[in-house]
Amino acid sequence: GAVVSQHPSRVICKSGTSVKIECRSLDFQATTMFWYRQFPKQSLMLMATSNEGSKATYEQGVEKDKFLINHASLTLSTLTVTSAHPEDSSFYICSATPDRGSNEKLFFGSGTQLSVL
Amino acid sequence: DQQVKQNSPSLSVQEGRISILNCDYTNSMFDYFLWYKKYPAEGPTFLISISSIKDKNEDGRFTVFLNKSAKHLSLHIVPSQPGDSAVYFCAASRSGGYNKLIFGAGTRLAVHP
Repeated sequence: GAVVSQHPSRVICKSGTSVKIECRSLDFQATTMFWYRQFPKQSLMLMATSNEGSKATYEQGVEKDKFLINHASLTLSTLTVTSAHPEDSSFYICSATPDRGSNEKLFFGSGTQLSVL
Repeated sequence: DQQVKQNSPSLSVQEGRISILNCDYTNSMFDYFLWYKKYPAEGPTFLISISSIKDKNEDGRFTVFLNKSAKHLSLHIVPSQPGDSAVYFCAASRSGGYNKLIFGAGTRLAVHP
C-alpha cells in the first residue's frame, strides 16, 4: 500500500522552543493531508486539514498561530508547534490521501510523540 | 463531547475464537463508518467500512455490523489470530465517507494462543 513517512517519531524539547514535524507521501501525490492529535486514552482529534498550495483549515479550538501548517508541495506537509509548552505534549499523527476526500484511501504516518519539558 | 465512543479500552481473546469490538456514536448525521487497525510504531491502516444504507459488511474474517437505531456498530473477527493483536479504531463521517473523520479512542485487542 501507499506509504506516508512522518518524522521525527519522538521529540523532547524545552518549553518555549518550536518543533517541526514532517509528513511525506512517498509514492503518491497528496492533494490533502490531515493533522491529528491524541492525548492518552483519548480519541484521535483532527486539528487541521492541509491542502497543497492553500491555507490550512483549522478545527474549532485549534490555534492556527500556535500550530503552523505548511503544505508547500504535493508530497510534503509540515506542522510546527511554536513556543511549545508542557500542555502541548501529545501524540501527533498525519494522514494523506491521493484521492481528494476518500477516507478509505487515507494513509497515516506512524506518528510523533512530543514531550515538552 | 465524544461523538464516537469505544468504551472498552482493551480486549483479550483466545486464538480461534471470535473477537467483538464495539463502537457507539451520538451524531445521527454520520452515514459512513470505518475501522482502522494500528500496530505499534505504525500508523493506522484502513480495515473495513460500512455505509448507513447497509447493516452488515463482510470481508474475509472481518465483518462489521451497524445498528442505526441503537447508534452502534461492531467489528467481528472470526477466527481471531495472534496477528490480529493491535489497536482498533472506529471512525465515523458524514457525506458518504468524503468528509472529515471522527475517531473513537481505540480498543487494544490481544489474541493469545
